[in-house]
Amino acid sequence: NAGVTQTPKFQVLKTGQSMTLQCAQDMNHEYMSWYRQDPGMGLRLIHYSVGAGITDQGEVPNGYNVSRSTTEDFPLRLLSAAPSQTSVYFCASRGGYGNQPQHFGDGTRLSIL
Amino acid sequence: KQEVTQIPAALSVPEGENLVLNCSFTDSAIYNLQWFRQDPGKGLTSLLLIQSSQREQTSGRLNASLDKSSGRSTLYIAASQPGDSATYLCAVRENYGGSQGNLIFGKGTKLSVKP
Repeated sequence: NAGVTQTPKFQVLKTGQSMTLQCAQDMNHEYMSWYRQDPGMGLRLIHYSVGAGITDQGEVPNGYNVSRSTTEDFPLRLLSAAPSQTSVYFCASRGGYGNQPQHFGDGTRLSIL
Repeated sequence: KQEVTQIPAALSVPEGENLVLNCSFTDSAIYNLQWFRQDPGKGLTSLLLIQSSQREQTSGRLNASLDKSSGRSTLYIAASQPGDSATYLCAVRENYGGSQGNLIFGKGTKLSVKP
């Protein structure tokens, strides 16, 4: 039972490089989201999606792009990495309707030098 | 704008003690409230979910209560064990209904249970 799978687990980038953080879920969940977690700041929502083809911005979307071409996958793209994007990134999913709990991946630890 | 606050930020107790973690939120129009546990270097594990119409939920030694009108929730842990040491996060789901409604998180309470 895989749940929410994030890859890679760790990544070091140089300023200005681009990369994609992968997230996949096998629970047929409609809702998926990306958070970043920083010391003293808690978890902050970056982008979310309520279904394939539908995405929207969260609290801190600048510097990040997302797309949702399938129900299973929700990648997060950093187009030009900045040191301020050093963080732990979590992907989450939940069922579309009703009181469904939210499930989280194990996170991607990203350092921008 | 919904804000979620957790007090205290850190708590250290001896093994066997019963304890209460607090969570408050500013907008009572929530869809539900969820408590999570996070171990160091790990993701979040869902512990309990309380629907907006419910007053409490129980799972094993854990009991979560919700008082929506006053904007408060508590997580009660009975007979604490060293294995309960972790950060506990409270999150409220915005009330947009259906498939929408994002989780707004508190900053967590870091719990240490000493043997």
